[in-house]
Amino acid sequence: DAGVIQSPRHEVTEMGQEVTLRCKPISGHNSLFWYRQTMMRGLELLIYFNNNVPIDDSGMPEDRFSAKMPNASFSTLKIQPSEPRDSAVYFCASSPPGQVSNQPQHFGDGTRLSIL
Amino acid sequence: GNSVTQMEGPVTLSEEAFLTINCTYTATGYPSLFWYVQYPGEGLQLLLKATKADDKGSNKGFEATYRKETTSFHLEKGSVQVSDSAVYFCALSDRGGSNYKLTFGKGTLLTVNP
Repeated sequence: DAGVIQSPRHEVTEMGQEVTLRCKPISGHNSLFWYRQTMMRGLELLIYFNNNVPIDDSGMPEDRFSAKMPNASFSTLKIQPSEPRDSAVYFCASSPPGQVSNQPQHFGDGTRLSIL
Repeated sequence: GNSVTQMEGPVTLSEEAFLTINCTYTATGYPSLFWYVQYPGEGLQLLLKATKADDKGSNKGFEATYRKETTSFHLEKGSVQVSDSAVYFCALSDRGGSNYKLTFGKGTLLTVNP
């Protein structure tokens, strides 16, 4: 079975450029999560969707970050304009229907983002 | 608020040694507890979980018991292998109510030498 698919795996770009990260959740999963991982702050939840609807974006750092889920099989996380402090590994995760707090989350392999 | 504290790493062991990684938590309500493992260059994978007090989660020789009285969920394995080298994350999720978030510990790096 295909897992959560993220693209690109690596992204290197210059400060000020727009960055778009993509995620395809596992088929049949109805919850999708975006995380950021850094050495300093560990794993941080950025935003959570349920049935394609954003439920809580309180973890999104600032207005430069935006996320969309136009359908059940695709989500994007955009950073515009990007800054060096946005450099991190960004993970997408999905979980199946059921009580969300009990369902394990399935993670993609992440996008390693470097902003020069 | 919810929080997870796990032992600081790194932990370095020889093959076939006994492993314990301590994890304690603070939470409102009745959380579900998880251990995730992250291999180099990969995302996190669920290792095991427990959803109520006294439950024991187990997988691939790893075990953890949900101890409500000590608010702990320590990870153990009787005999580690080189292939177990990875970062291990303890996490909790509140059961019931509206708190859906997984709260992660900071991770413990395990290195197993042959």
